[in-house]
Amino acid sequence: DAGVIQSPRHEVTEMGQEVTLRCKPISGHDYLFWYRQTMMRGLELLIYFNNNVPIDDSGMPEDRFSAKMPNASFSTLKIQPSEPRDSAVYFCASRASGRLGEKLFFGSGTQLSVL
Amino acid sequence: QKEVEQNSGPLSVPEGAIASLNCTYSDRGSQSFFWYRQYSGKSPELIMFIYSNGDKEDGRFTAQLNKASQYVSLLIRDSQPSDSATYLCAVNPNSSASKIIFGSGTRLSIRP
Repeated sequence: DAGVIQSPRHEVTEMGQEVTLRCKPISGHDYLFWYRQTMMRGLELLIYFNNNVPIDDSGMPEDRFSAKMPNASFSTLKIQPSEPRDSAVYFCASRASGRLGEKLFFGSGTQLSVL
Repeated sequence: QKEVEQNSGPLSVPEGAIASLNCTYSDRGSQSFFWYRQYSGKSPELIMFIYSNGDKEDGRFTAQLNKASQYVSLLIRDSQPSDSATYLCAVNPNSSASKIIFGSGTRLSIRP
């Protein structure tokens, strides 16, 4: 398995533009998480899905952020309009359900810079 | 109060010594506890998982859990320069056994 695949690896955009981040989870994993990492705030959970259904989006900072999971193999995180304070590394992670302690598998992340 | 708190460091430890990393959590009903390691510019990777009070050992790593005091710790014996990384504590809060909340991480530096 190729692991969790995120694209793009790097995104540089201007304030006000729409940004779409993409994620392909590991096949067979039914949980998908979106995290954002900054020096100031650490690794923050934005939203997570179970079987393609959003379960908890309480970490989504504001209405400019939206996430979808149209099928088991694809998810997007969209920011519209983007702002400089959105600059961060965005990680997607997936895991299987079942036992306690199931490991989270992270993608390589998307480094977002909003100018 | 943050759900998961860690000292940001940096923690500097001489090679061969024991590195001790600590984490406290706010949700008393939390079920599972994890330690992830993150090298600079890379993704976090799981190194230890614990859910029962006491110690759990895996090679040079020992995770310790004290639910009454709501803290988790990670000991790294015989520290190596390759252990230099940021260590993230993570918790499944009682509110949701599926949700995984991370602390901000402790930066560990092993000096030769």
